[in-house]
This record gives sequence, C-alpha cells and structure tokens, in this order.
Amino acid sequence: GQQVQQSPASLVLQEGENAELQCNFSSTATQLQWFYQSPGGSLVSLLSNPSGTKHTGRLTSTTVTKERRSSLHISSSQTTDSGTYLCAIGDSGYNKLTFGKGTVLLVSP
Amino acid sequence: AQTIHQWPVAEIKAVGSPLSLGCTIKGKSSPNLYWYWQATGGTLQQLFYSITVGQVESVVQLNLSASRPKDDQFILSTEKLLLSHSGFYLCAWSYRGRREVFFGKGTRLTVV
Repeated sequence: GQQVQQSPASLVLQEGENAELQCNFSSTATQLQWFYQSPGGSLVSLLSNPSGTKHTGRLTSTTVTKERRSSLHISSSQTTDSGTYLCAIGDSGYNKLTFGKGTVLLVSP
Repeated sequence: AQTIHQWPVAEIKAVGSPLSLGCTIKGKSSPNLYWYWQATGGTLQQLFYSITVGQVESVVQLNLSASRPKDDQFILSTEKLLLSHSGFYLCAWSYRGRREVFFGKGTRLTVV
C-alpha cells in the first residue's frame, strides 16, 4: 500500500525564519493535502495540491508528481505556526487518505 | 457554508462498555463521509467511508462499526470497548467527485 514519509520529524525555528517541510510517497497519488494539527488534535486543511505549485498566505506547496514528492514552505514563521504538519496522499477511488507521521514545528519568539 | 459537528468532544469509558460517536454535516447534500482514528502518538488512519445513506465500507478492522442513518449523519459504535480503542476519532467529509477532505474537531476517547 501507499507509504508516506515526512521530514524532518521535528524542526525548531526562531520567529521570522522560514520552514521547509518535505513529503515523499511510494505510489501514484490522485490527491495530496497538507494539514495542520493543533496541539488539541483538530485538523485544518492548509492546501490541496496534487501537482504543481500553490500559494496561500505565507504557505507555498510544490508537488512533483513524477518524483513522488511534495514540499510545504512556510515563510516568516510565527509562534502561532507551532504544531504538527501532516501530509496526506489519496490514491484510490473512494478517497482514502494515507497520512505521514508529521513534522512537529516549534517556533520560538 | 458547510459545517461539521462531532459529539461528544471527549469521553472516558470503561473496558467492555458500549460506545457511540456521532458526526453531522450541514450545508452540503450527499457528501462522502469518513471516520479516522489516531492512537496517542500514532498516525491517522481511515476506518470507514460512506458514499451514500445506508452504505458503509470498512477499511481497517478494529472491532468497531459505522452506520449512516441519514444523508448528513455518520455514527461510529461498538458494543464492547477495548483498551486499544483509546485515541482520537475524527469525522471527515468531501464533495462527491472531488478530492479535498475536511475534518471535524474530533472526539478524544479514553478507555479505562
């Protein structure tokens, strides 16, 4: 089945620095979504980006489908960005998402 | 605007007791519905999905069952809880024919 690897496992930044998160997956993907998971556990969809480059606010995602990888760039990090970032891959007709283990981001003031 | 409501927010239940978790989606007819589960410190995994009322497919066997009694409602249940059922349960939905998935705020279950 689909396997999703995220790196780094954790990242510590000073406020204002940029973050680069990576997601690699093992099989063809029909969907790729980046989520933010709050310390309380709830998930917020950040970007849906199965191919190409997408921007929203301070976030940019680039997915290279042929190479089975995606990145999430967070510019000018803020303390409120702290949390876990999850990459999820969809590869079946019924829209099953396979999640990575996540990158834990800590932004200090 | 679509809203997704999960209940309860948290539960503490005894081993062997029954469980019922619920999810309601408002503002969107005939959504695809999903249940996900995350053990403490673990990876999110899909448990069930449903594309229409009365039809639910199991993805992972965890001695749980799911039902979709109404178009906008998804229920997760079991007759007898195990310690291994502890964790965070998330309901999710997507538009029919589209890939982006949206999640509810989740229910934290502790089995003691």
